[in-house]
Amino acid sequence: EVQLVESGGGLVQPGGSLRLSCGASGFTLTNDWMSWVRQAPGKGLEWVANIKQDGSDKYYVDSVKGRFTISRDNAKNSLYLQMNSLRAEDTAVYYCVGDQGWLHVNWGQGTLVTVSS
Amino acid sequence: VVLTQSPVTLSLSPGERATLSCRASQSVGNNYLAWYQQRPGQAPRLLIYDASTRATAIPDRFSGSGSGTDFTLTISRLEPEDFAMYYCQDYGIIPKPFGQGTRVEFK
Repeated sequence: EVQLVESGGGLVQPGGSLRLSCGASGFTLTNDWMSWVRQAPGKGLEWVANIKQDGSDKYYVDSVKGRFTISRDNAKNSLYLQMNSLRAEDTAVYYCVGDQGWLHVNWGQGTLVTVSS
Repeated sequence: VVLTQSPVTLSLSPGERATLSCRASQSVGNNYLAWYQQRPGQAPRLLIYDASTRATAIPDRFSGSGSGTDFTLTISRLEPEDFAMYYCQDYGIIPKPFGQGTRVEFK
């Protein structure tokens, strides 16, 4: 069974940093693109970033460019999202997603990030 | 690309047919249009991709159609577990926009 498990969420002050991790089981993360998608409380879905199999290509939504960095460690079957200069509007559940091509196929259960003083 | 879903809320009874619309501000390349279902408290689940192909293990009461800028998700006969949020997405471009969602609720 495919499982993606996120960790690292929590409460952080505006301007602070947080690093999200995603571990995969029953699923070889190295095979395809991976993404982060977020959902603010009571709101819709927003794609945040994705990364190619070997990490050579990365893309971001404009609102996080220069603040967030997506990375992966294929040896550890893991995906990461380093989030710096956090803002209140970054408050959301962050989902780790295993893609097929650019299609979001396998979703984790999400980790909540709350940016508040 | 902006995806606009309608209606915002659809109030129906079990056994009825649901028709959800997704309209794109520009043509969706290669019909790379996907539909996702999200039940309360759960992660989204892929239903349809390439506008009309059902994902693995998705019941055949779900069907997708359309091309270019106009797409439709149809649920032929609503089951109790189908009352949920539904999102469309153009997954072929960067950024990968989602529609704002349609809520299918009990009438």
